[in-house]
Amino acid sequence: EPEVTQTPSHQVTQMGQEVILHCVPISNHLYFYWYRQILGQKVEFLVSFYNNEISEKSEIFDDQFSVERPDGSNFTLKIRSTKLEDSAMYFCASSAGLAGAQGQFFGPGTRLTVL
Amino acid sequence: AQSVTQLGSHVSVSEGALVLLRCNYSSSVPPYLFWYVQYPNQGLQLLLKYTSAATLVKGINDFEAEFKKSETSFHLTKPSAHMSDAAEYFCAVSGRSSGSARQLTFGSGTQLTVLP
Repeated sequence: EPEVTQTPSHQVTQMGQEVILHCVPISNHLYFYWYRQILGQKVEFLVSFYNNEISEKSEIFDDQFSVERPDGSNFTLKIRSTKLEDSAMYFCASSAGLAGAQGQFFGPGTRLTVL
Repeated sequence: AQSVTQLGSHVSVSEGALVLLRCNYSSSVPPYLFWYVQYPNQGLQLLLKYTSAATLVKGINDFEAEFKKSETSFHLTKPSAHMSDAAEYFCAVSGRSSGSARQLTFGSGTQLTVLP
């Protein structure tokens, strides 16, 4: 069964460093998303991406964040200068159509620890 | 804006007993609703979704949920709990309009413990 994959599973970085989180969405899906879950808190929407551009973004997704689809299979989230409060589990998701019609399929997540 | 509230951050049931996990939504129009499950150290797996067809939705592993507009609820049930059902369960909502349909808003989650 097709699935969303994410690498690395765990990333440790120093405050102020740049990190790039990698995702490979399901191959025939057209919509891509990033969410995060700070320990003990809700899963929060960060950004959605369609047709090579951002569709929606939340207040969390400020200038420190960027997304890219560098080729036909990868979808990345870059945090330019990490802060302690960026420590969280980051989930990538994809859907074939708009979220309501199909549901979104999530990857296993990347745990980011900022020291 | 849509939101969901999950009543009960922790629920414990005995193996073989009924599972009932509660979710209430807030939305100006009937939304799309979802239940996801997260097993330890894994991602979010879609259990079932409501998209305005039948109000009683069946999902994987014998879970089902009923959309009740009058109660703004979408509670998740399973007739008989298995030990393998122990996990965290998230209710989520998505809007129908083009501007909001692309993001999911999650509840706080309910940790289900199944006792032998």
